[in-house]
Amino acid sequence: NAGVTQTPKFQVLKTGQSMTLQCAQDMNHEYMSWYRQDPGMGLRLIHYSVGAGITDQGEVPNGYNVSRSTTEDFPLRLLSAAPSQTSVYFCASTRTGGEVAFFGQGTRLTVV
Amino acid sequence: GNSVTQMEGPVTLSEEAFLTINCTYTATGYPSLFWYVQYPGEGLQLLLKATKADDKGSNKGFEATYRKETTSFHLEKGSVQVSDSAVYFCALRVSSGGSYIPTFGRGTSLIVHP
Repeated sequence: NAGVTQTPKFQVLKTGQSMTLQCAQDMNHEYMSWYRQDPGMGLRLIHYSVGAGITDQGEVPNGYNVSRSTTEDFPLRLLSAAPSQTSVYFCASTRTGGEVAFFGQGTRLTVV
Repeated sequence: GNSVTQMEGPVTLSEEAFLTINCTYTATGYPSLFWYVQYPGEGLQLLLKATKADDKGSNKGFEATYRKETTSFHLEKGSVQVSDSAVYFCALRVSSGGSYIPTFGRGTSLIVHP
């Protein structure tokens, strides 16, 4: 049971480039979410999904897009990377009726 | 809205010292409360939880009691070890409208010296 898998683990982008952070879970969880973690700011919610085909914005959605075409996958797209998006990104999932969030190992992104 | 406030870190202790990390919350509705731990280079993982008032969650020697009257969920451990060095996040979840997305505090870094 792999749990929540994020790829890549590390990435360096140039300003203006686009990329997709991948997140996949094999637990059949309905709820998935993306957070960014910055020093002194804790975890901030970017986007979340309550099921396939349904997404919504979190606290800091600007500059990011998401889609949820399957239960398993919840990719996060950076349309035009900016240095302010340098951060560690975490994907998490929770089953329907569950209470515990399961996290991936994170993606450390640097935008230069 | 929902929010979680944690004491700022870092908290620096010697091995075998007593640990308290304060956490208070505000919530619309009746929340479940959690402590998550993040070891260096890893994602968050659940440490313990409590789902109703006066419940005590415990795991790996850590404890926290759900205090509705003071809206608190303080984390304690009687004797910390170097391996407890990590970042600790307090969190809550209110299942309003069917959402299961938790709200996290800012995290408290714990450093334990030998």
